Amino acid sequence: EAQVTQNPRYLITVTGKKLTVTCSQNMNHEYMSWYRQDPGLGLRQIYYSMNVEVTDKGDVPEGYKVSRKEKRNFPLILESPSPNQTSLYFCASSFSGQPINNSPLHFGNGTRLTVT
Amino acid sequence: AQSVAQPEDQVNVAEGNPLTVKCTYSVSGNPYLFWYVQYPNRGLQFLLKYITGDNLVKGSYGFEAEFNKSQTSFHLKKPSALVSDSALYFCAVSSPSGSARQLTFGSGTQLTVLP
Repeated sequence: EAQVTQNPRYLITVTGKKLTVTCSQNMNHEYMSWYRQDPGLGLRQIYYSMNVEVTDKGDVPEGYKVSRKEKRNFPLILESPSPNQTSLYFCASSFSGQPINNSPLHFGNGTRLTVT
Repeated sequence: AQSVAQPEDQVNVAEGNPLTVKCTYSVSGNPYLFWYVQYPNRGLQFLLKYITGDNLVKGSYGFEAEFNKSQTSFHLKKPSALVSDSALYFCAVSSPSGSARQLTFGSGTQLTVLP
């Protein structure tokens, strides 16, 4: 089954304790992206990757890191989490990151992060 | 910069009645427009898209959307609502220009269909 898998689904942590949210897709997609969802703000892009070893900042990259060492994986790293990073996080992928590409994004089921 | 506005945080409709979820957009050049739906504890799922051509686009689960270039709108519609349509709906826009795909989402509209 074609899917985007995120882990964990729920995560509660304390300020400053480094964490990683994993994302994996099995569709051989070139483009992968991380979003955070906050009430009233919709989805905002954190980072995206056009292909292996190619990553770039989205609209709200501060406090986050990503890597794309393999095509299927795109982990999100919070090196020193803060309470304002409490949010619902989604990983998504699509066939291509070219602007002319209009194929739908495939989303994971989300990771709800709470930072105390 | 591109943007999307969903003016209604909440839409309530009785089962069997038609529903409309509103969306307006701003983008340079011709837009690519999308609707996604989010059910509780799930990721977003694609419903339909407008790229070019016919202004009325049909999608999954009986939904359709009407593209109106002069009003820069892309409203989501369904002739007869079901209780199971209750969910959070997101409109999104991208542009075929630029260096990388950039999809901008609206703030979402919670649709509640009342039995």
